[in-house]
Amino acid sequence: TAGITQAPTSQILAAGRSMTLRCTQDMRHNAMYWYRQDLGLGLRLIHYSNTAGTTGKGEVPDGYSVSRANTDDFPLTLASAVPSQTSVYFCASRRAGTGELFFGEGSRLTVL
Amino acid sequence: GENVEQHPSTLSVQEGDSAVIKCTYSDSASNYFPWYKQELGKGPQLIIDIRSNVGEKKDQRIAVTLNKTAKHFSLHITETQPEDSAVYFCAAWNTGNQFYFGTGTSLTVIP
Repeated sequence: TAGITQAPTSQILAAGRSMTLRCTQDMRHNAMYWYRQDLGLGLRLIHYSNTAGTTGKGEVPDGYSVSRANTDDFPLTLASAVPSQTSVYFCASRRAGTGELFFGEGSRLTVL
Repeated sequence: GENVEQHPSTLSVQEGDSAVIKCTYSDSASNYFPWYKQELGKGPQLIIDIRSNVGEKKDQRIAVTLNKTAKHFSLHITETQPEDSAVYFCAAWNTGNQFYFGTGTSLTVIP
């Protein structure tokens, strides 16, 4: 079972450019999340989706947008990247009825 | 909102010794406390969790304890092995939209 698949694995992006990080799950989980991981700051929630068709803002949503057209896909878009968005991004889904999160392998983004 | 603090940020132990990582939380509504292990270049993976109606849970060499009164919980790894070297994160959840993570502990097990 693939679980959570993220793409790309890594990307270098010029400031001001747009970028979409892709996330696909094959577990049919309703709840999905995007986190960014920065040294010394742990995992911070960017956006979440409790079910297809709904999204919500997390702790650090500015500069990011998400969509949830179906259960499996939860892309994260940076409309105009800035250097402070340099980070490792993790997509996750939650098993229904539990608090167990399943994470992807991460997408390392560098904005120059 | 919830605030989770995790200590220490780095920990080195000799192979075979025990390792303890501690977390505190602030929101008494939090009722689920997972621990995640993150190996280099990988995503975090759940290794053990505990709910607020339980004081201790064990799974082979790892155990988690919870003190609801003091609002702290700890991860205990016994008989550490080199493959235990990783970053460990604690988290707190109140069944809402957000999990609150600690800032991580980098554990190194010295052979």
